[in-house]
Amino acid sequence: DAGVIQSPRHEVTEMGQEVTLRCKPISGHDYLFWYRQTMMRGLELLIYFNNNVPIDDSGMPEDRFSAKMPNASFSTLKIQPSEPRDSAVYFCASRGASGRWETQYFGPGTRLLVL
Amino acid sequence: SQQGEEDPQALSIQEGENATMNCSYKTSINNLQWYRQNSGRGLVHLILIRSNEREKHSGRLRVTLDTSKKSSSLLITASRAADTASYFCATDAFGQAGTALIFGKGTTLSVSS
Repeated sequence: DAGVIQSPRHEVTEMGQEVTLRCKPISGHDYLFWYRQTMMRGLELLIYFNNNVPIDDSGMPEDRFSAKMPNASFSTLKIQPSEPRDSAVYFCASRGASGRWETQYFGPGTRLLVL
Repeated sequence: SQQGEEDPQALSIQEGENATMNCSYKTSINNLQWYRQNSGRGLVHLILIRSNEREKHSGRLRVTLDTSKKSSSLLITASRAADTASYFCATDAFGQAGTALIFGKGTTLSVSS
């Protein structure tokens, strides 16, 4: 299995531009998580999906952030418009089955820099 | 808000020494997990300990859990330079979302040869 795939790996954009981050979870996993990591705030959960349905988006910082999961093999995290404070590494993770003992598998992350 | 808090924030040791990292959390949990992150990479799961377990081993890793003190420790024995990484504890929130993990800020471990 290729693991969790994220694209792009690096993104540099200017303030005000739209940014779209993409994630392909591990096949068969029915939970998908988006995290943001910064030095100041550590690793923050933004939103997670179960069977393509958003379950908890309380970590999404503001309306500029949105996430979708149109099918079991693809999710996007969109920032519109982007701001310099959005600069961070964004991770996608997935986990399988319905047991409470399952671990999460992380993608390599997207390093976002907003100028 | 963060559930887990790792201690120390940074740890520097020599190869062959043992490294101990601690994690404290605030609310009741179903399980506690430890993850490792190499610089510039995603997190990798190391070990999971359930709330009804007190100790667990995996290779050179030993994890303990004290639910009465809401704390856990990760011991890496006979450390190697390749163990240099950041280590995070993660907990779920019992009775709440249940499936979302909350991570601490991590302990940065440096192992010099």
